[in-house]
Amino acid sequence: DGGITQSPKYLFRKEGQNVTLSCEQNLNHDAMYWYRQDPGQGLRLIYYSQIVNDFQKGDIAEGYSVSREKKESFPLTVTSAQKNPTAFYLCASSGQVGTEAFFGQGTRLTVV
Amino acid sequence: GENVEQHPSTLSVQEGDSAVIKCTYSDSASNYFPWYKQELGKRPQLIIDIRSNVGEKKDQRIAVTLNKTAKHFSLHITETQPEDSAVYFCAASDRGNYGGSQGNLIFGKGTKLSVKP
Repeated sequence: DGGITQSPKYLFRKEGQNVTLSCEQNLNHDAMYWYRQDPGQGLRLIYYSQIVNDFQKGDIAEGYSVSREKKESFPLTVTSAQKNPTAFYLCASSGQVGTEAFFGQGTRLTVV
Repeated sequence: GENVEQHPSTLSVQEGDSAVIKCTYSDSASNYFPWYKQELGKRPQLIIDIRSNVGEKKDQRIAVTLNKTAKHFSLHITETQPEDSAVYFCAASDRGNYGGSQGNLIFGKGTKLSVKP
């Protein structure tokens, strides 16, 4: 539900490997966001994109990369440079400013 | 940029009592303040929101108040029920990078509400 889909729900990777998390929305929203959620830390903004082919760093962008080649898709790559990648990752989208943001179901990434 | 502080981090109430969660924000240009509820293992979902031209908004047992002068807003839940137990996040929308045409939601750290039967 909600029209925004993240996959997979659970992901395991070995340390040193890059991994890409998928986020797709069919809500025709211009803006898309990636947040990281750690216990007691709330939702911290990693990257955001307000239009296709453009994106900006959030508060904790180091060790992550994104692309926005299509309006519907905003994949997040967790690179080997991210020192503590194990976390719950949430993707969201919204229409215009001052409107509701819809979240995906999240991807729980575990790096071993 | 915007900074949102949320208190308390945990809150335990007896069923039927009221619960209040408070947030402060730093950017006076912020004009949209939503509240999200996240149940264990699920995605955050919007429960109520308020815009800067309104001081209070109610939806059944939930209300939000906004004080723009003091830059704080609060969530009030009355007649709490066990199913209200969840983590609640406040957020404020800042100006973004396009002259205010799009704003990013900056979240507080969350409040874990426990309602005891």
